Amino acid sequence: AQTVTQSQPEMSVQEAETVTLSCTYDTSESDYYLFWYKQPPSRQMILVIRQEAYKQQNATENRFSVNFQKAAKSFSLKISDSQLGDAAMYFCAYLRPGTASKLTFGTGTRLQVTL
Amino acid sequence: DVKVTQSSRYLVKRTGEKVFLECVQDMDHENMFWYRQDPGLGLRLIYFSYDVKMKEKGDIPEGYSVSREKKERFSLILESASTNQTSMYLCASSQAGIGQPQHFGDGTRLSIL
Repeated sequence: AQTVTQSQPEMSVQEAETVTLSCTYDTSESDYYLFWYKQPPSRQMILVIRQEAYKQQNATENRFSVNFQKAAKSFSLKISDSQLGDAAMYFCAYLRPGTASKLTFGTGTRLQVTL
Repeated sequence: DVKVTQSSRYLVKRTGEKVFLECVQDMDHENMFWYRQDPGLGLRLIYFSYDVKMKEKGDIPEGYSVSREKKERFSLILESASTNQTSMYLCASSQAGIGQPQHFGDGTRLSIL
């Protein structure tokens, strides 16, 4: 079974600085998808970024980018120029194709943004 | 934008009651999901459905059932609520197809007394 590990329960970053959230996963598949989701205090889970395993290029969405290391099974999220609105729980998730879009989630990292 | 609506933000029920949590999505998505979210455990899949009247067990289905009579609506049922079912419940939907992201509702915080 696939597992997703987020080893940092909490992180803190100063406004305008850069922070990296780590995620590792375990799979024997070669083709899969990885996601980062953000859950602000308002609670609705929002998709931040999506990476396809067969694409070597790291995904980027504005201030959010990933460092995808397939051989190491690592999928970290980098947030640049951090803003107060980035404070949230961040979940890493794994999707194996052919499983009706079933996601396996990590336990989450709570990010605080300070002035 | 995809809209996934859960019927209640907060719900308080008593042990032994039958509890219904409702979820509606407005984007004609084929797949719908129910998760529970607990601190330190992340999100765990209870049940999912890939079509009307179709359902499959997730990782923690015990004590729960689901119903999907219409494509847009997916209900989670606690047959006889117990205190260990106190949790945050999240509904999600996604299109069919490879690698489609899930879209989530606001969640229902359920307390069983």
